[in-house]
Amino acid sequence: EAQVTQNPRYLITVTGKKLTVTCSQNMNHEYMSWYRQDPGLGLRQIYYSMNVEVTDKGDVPEGYKVSRKEKRNFPLILESPSPNQTSLYFCASSFRGYSNQPQHFGDGTRLSIL
Amino acid sequence: AQKVTQAQTEISVVEKEDVTLDCVYETRDTTYYLFWYKQPPSGELVFLIRRNSFDEQNEISGRYSWNFQKSTSSFNFTITASQVVDSAVYFCALSERVNKLVFGAGTILRVKS
Repeated sequence: EAQVTQNPRYLITVTGKKLTVTCSQNMNHEYMSWYRQDPGLGLRQIYYSMNVEVTDKGDVPEGYKVSRKEKRNFPLILESPSPNQTSLYFCASSFRGYSNQPQHFGDGTRLSIL
Repeated sequence: AQKVTQAQTEISVVEKEDVTLDCVYETRDTTYYLFWYKQPPSGELVFLIRRNSFDEQNEISGRYSWNFQKSTSSFNFTITASQVVDSAVYFCALSERVNKLVFGAGTILRVKS
């Protein structure tokens, strides 16, 4: 089944404790992206990757890191999480990075930073 | 700069009523794409439709229809004969060159039986 898989689905942690949210897609997509969803703000892009080893900042990249060493994986790293990073996070992918392509979203990861 | 506005924060209707969700966008590009996504209570995001800036034809898919008007920069979504299963958050989104989606704040639709 074609899908984008995120782990974990839920995480409660404390300020400053490094964490990684994994994202994997099995559709051989070149483009991958991370968004965060906050009430009243919709979804905002954090980082995106046009292909392996190519990443770039989205609208809200502060406090996050990403890497794209393999085509299928695009982990989101919070090196020193803070409470304002408490949010619902979505990973997405599409075949290419062209603007006409619908993105396939994972089921989301709910992070709570205490 | 690109921007998407969904002015309706929340809408409540009774089953079988028709409901229209508004979406207004801003962009300086002449080529762009508009999307609607549905987020049911389970939380996943479901792609509903894509429309490019050169195609102003309205589209109908079952009970769903979309009205794209470039003159007013709007891309409204209508559900005919709403059902309880339509209860969800609906997002309108805009994409210009690279596949970066700019989302509106979303509209919560509650359909009561």
